[in-house]
Amino acid sequence: DGGITQSPKYLFRKEGQNVTLSCEQNLNHDAMYWYRQDPGQGLRLIYYSQIVNDFQKGDIAEGYSVSREKKESFPLTVTSAQKNPTAFYLCASSIETGVEQYFGPGTRLTVT
Amino acid sequence: AQRVTQPEKLLSVFKGAPVELKCNYSYSGSPELFWYVQYSRQRLQLLLRHISRESIKGFTADLNKGETSFHLKKPFAQEEDSAMYYCALSGRGFQKLVFGTGTRLLVSP
Repeated sequence: DGGITQSPKYLFRKEGQNVTLSCEQNLNHDAMYWYRQDPGQGLRLIYYSQIVNDFQKGDIAEGYSVSREKKESFPLTVTSAQKNPTAFYLCASSIETGVEQYFGPGTRLTVT
Repeated sequence: AQRVTQPEKLLSVFKGAPVELKCNYSYSGSPELFWYVQYSRQRLQLLLRHISRESIKGFTADLNKGETSFHLKKPFAQEEDSAMYYCALSGRGFQKLVFGTGTRLLVSP
């Protein structure tokens, strides 16, 4: 364990509020990723970043935003525009894109 | 488009029985394939990669380019193998891994 941390483990928010999920890695990896995991739907890619100050939309980017100001950090903001924000969110990193990824422990977000 | 198919959402076996989790991929180039596992209350972790041709926790997976498959096998399942398993695909120029939808393996005593 270690290497990629996500905080908090559980997060509760009221509908209409933006919320930011933290992801930090000390593996010196260039690439970082955010996934959403829902029962029966597997892992769906939200955003990814190949390098600092650069990021691309994944398959389900609507209602989410990210930043990559530091190599070690890739925070995800779930905005009020996201229609179904309640989910388990996973952050991952890899030494470069297209190779094996290492995952954080996840954050379970509940919006009511 | 690149795609990974895991046809079974749930695979239920008894302890000691052989297990095979299916993975088929769609990609015209030379693939790199991975199996990831997520045990209860643990993070998703790499189980094995085809390029290493290794056996981890008794699991093996062979790449069959003719059938475009990378099935995960274990001759004798253990209760601690119960977990969610994901197959993932990469290749030259890929910017991300392509994951299948996962198979939940349940090993009963």
